[in-house]
Amino acid sequence: DAGVIQSPRHEVTEMGQEVTLRCKPISGHNSLFWYRQTMMRGLELLIYFNNNVPIDDSGMPEDRFSAKMPNASFSTLKIQPSEPRDSAVYFCASRRDGGRSPLHFGNGTRLTVT
Amino acid sequence: DAKTTQPPSMDCAEGRAANLPCNHSTISGNEYVYWYRQIHSQGPQYIIHGLKNNETNEMASLIITEDRKSSTLILPHATLRDTAVYYCIVRVASGGSYIPTFGRGTSLIVHP
Repeated sequence: DAGVIQSPRHEVTEMGQEVTLRCKPISGHNSLFWYRQTMMRGLELLIYFNNNVPIDDSGMPEDRFSAKMPNASFSTLKIQPSEPRDSAVYFCASRRDGGRSPLHFGNGTRLTVT
Repeated sequence: DAKTTQPPSMDCAEGRAANLPCNHSTISGNEYVYWYRQIHSQGPQYIIHGLKNNETNEMASLIITEDRKSSTLILPHATLRDTAVYYCIVRVASGGSYIPTFGRGTSLIVHP
């Protein structure tokens, strides 16, 4: 079990640039979650997919953020254009279906927007 | 959905038991209690969950009070590597599934 894999581990970009974060969930898991963590707001859910379909995107802060899951083994979170206030650690998590199964998190992408 | 209350910080001596409390007084009958922890620079890690019976695994024990309004996570012999933020969560339902919502948790420091 390779765990949830996120890339890149660190990303530094300038304001206005497009940023794409990537996630490979654990094989066999059919729910995928994107969270954002900052000192001010803690760990916030951005969006949740089930069987590759977005179910709840109410946590996506604004239209600059978008997420896709083209297949069961890959998801992206895109920010376009990026702003300094987007600086945070972004976590991806996956879960086997059956609502009480625990989440398995990746080690996150630390995004710095200057 | 039920909210949880945890002390912001605790400390514990290495080798001793760490007892982390969580209050969830508005929990409903079919809501589970989950515990996760987050070690610095890593993603949160699942520890244990339970409904009303006490649970134990290789990482920890979970004691849930009879009225289910509070619970305690017990690390029986804390080590320095147990220093982390511990999150107590009750399930949030969306579309029939369970989506963990994380509060601020308890920052546990295990000292030599």
